[in-house]
Amino acid sequence: SYVLTQPPSVSVAPGQTARIPCGGDSIGTKSVHWYQQRPGQAPVAVVYDDTGRPSGIPERFSGSNSGNTATLIIDRVEAGDEADYYCQVYDGISDHRVFGTGTKVTVL
Amino acid sequence: QVQLVQSGSEVKKPGASVKVSCKAAEYSFTTYAINWVRQAPGQGLEWMGWINTNTGNPTYAQAFTGHFVFSLDTSVSTAYLQISSLKAEDTAVYYCARRNDYDGGVFDIWGQGTMVTVSS
Repeated sequence: SYVLTQPPSVSVAPGQTARIPCGGDSIGTKSVHWYQQRPGQAPVAVVYDDTGRPSGIPERFSGSNSGNTATLIIDRVEAGDEADYYCQVYDGISDHRVFGTGTKVTVL
Repeated sequence: QVQLVQSGSEVKKPGASVKVSCKAAEYSFTTYAINWVRQAPGQGLEWMGWINTNTGNPTYAQAFTGHFVFSLDTSVSTAYLQISSLKAEDTAVYYCARRNDYDGGVFDIWGQGTMVTVSS
C-alpha cells in the first residue's frame, strides 16, 4: 500500500517560516491535501490540490509538490499555528485515501 | 452554515455494538461523498473508507473490513458508522468528513468527532 512519510516534529520561531515535508513514491504525480489539527479539535483543510487554499485560510499557508516530496509552507509563523499537520493523497492503485504519519509543529 | 454534526460520546463493553451518526446541514447531502476517519488516542489519522451518498455503496479500507458498516438515511441527510463486536482497540475518536470532488477530493468539512470508549 502507498505510504506517506512525515517527520514527527518541526520547531520554528515566531515570525519564521516552517516547512513540513511529506514523502511518497512519485508523490509529484498526485494531488496532495494538507490538514491542520489543533489539540482536541477536528482536522481542518489548509491546502488542497497541492497549492489551493480553502476559503478562510490565511495566505501564510501554501504548498508545493514535486518528485517524491510535497511540502506545506507556513510563512510568518504564529503561536496559533502550533498543531499537528497531516498530508493526504488518493492512491489510484488501491482506490484508497492515505494520510501521512503527521508532524507536530512547535512554535518556540 | 454548512456542517456535519455527529452524535455524542459512547462507552461500551467489549462485544457490544455502537452506531455513530453524522448529520449534514445546509448543503445537498447527495452531492458529496462521506468519508470516515479514525484517530486512536495519541495517534494519527486513519482513513476507514467512504460511502457514496447517491447509491449507498460503501467502500472500506483494507484495515476496516469485517465489523465496520457504513450506511445512510438520505431522508434525514445522515450517514452512520456501525461497529459490532467491539474490542478495546476500537477505542478512538471517529470523524465523518465531506469529500469535495470539485476541489481535488479534499475533505473540506469535518464533523466534530465522536469518542468511542470500549472498556469492561
